[in-house]
Amino acid sequence: GGIITQTPKFLIGQEGQKLTLKCQQNFNHDTMYWYRQDSGKGLRLIYYSITENDLQKGDLSEGYDASREKKSSFSLTVTSAQKNEMAVFLCASTPGGADTQYFGPGTRLLVL
Amino acid sequence: GQQVQQSPASLVLQEGENAELQCNFSTSLNSMQWFYQRPGGSLVSLFYNPSGTKHSGRLTSTTVIKERRSSLHISSSQTTDSGTYLCALDSNYQLIWGSGTKLIIKP
Repeated sequence: GGIITQTPKFLIGQEGQKLTLKCQQNFNHDTMYWYRQDSGKGLRLIYYSITENDLQKGDLSEGYDASREKKSSFSLTVTSAQKNEMAVFLCASTPGGADTQYFGPGTRLLVL
Repeated sequence: GQQVQQSPASLVLQEGENAELQCNFSTSLNSMQWFYQRPGGSLVSLFYNPSGTKHSGRLTSTTVIKERRSSLHISSSQTTDSGTYLCALDSNYQLIWGSGTKLIIKP
């Protein structure tokens, strides 16, 4: 078995601030994902990475940067936080392209 | 239009009743995945189902590719089944998500 950890669990930022979210997995999975979930809605893909140092944009990549410097970690940066923004950011990993995705517990973002 | 349509958006049942959740899709898929999310919690994978029927305890997933649909059946529902159920169409490296069904099971 394995686990995905996300830090921080809660993130409160100011408008315009650059904020970084971190994700670590010990499954030794190749592919990792960042999703955003707004209240009562489904998930939207921000970025994904097929392997170390690879980055692929999802539908919601504008306003975000990502970094996959190690196989086990995948970071997401909100480049300029928007006031009144509130969402949960979920990290996931999978061994390859067509396989079950395993999710972390999420980072809850609130921008004041 | 939406590639994955999930229904119903919400469902309220009495404990012991059966629940039927549906996802219809309009694009090709490798598989349909079903996830469970507790309020404020992470997602737990329930099924990875490319086609046919799969069982796990009181849960059954059926994917019929030629009819472009997948269903999740919960038999003899319990209050602990309450939460949000999400389907996601697996198309190579990306998942295309339904908007979720919020299930409430009353005691």
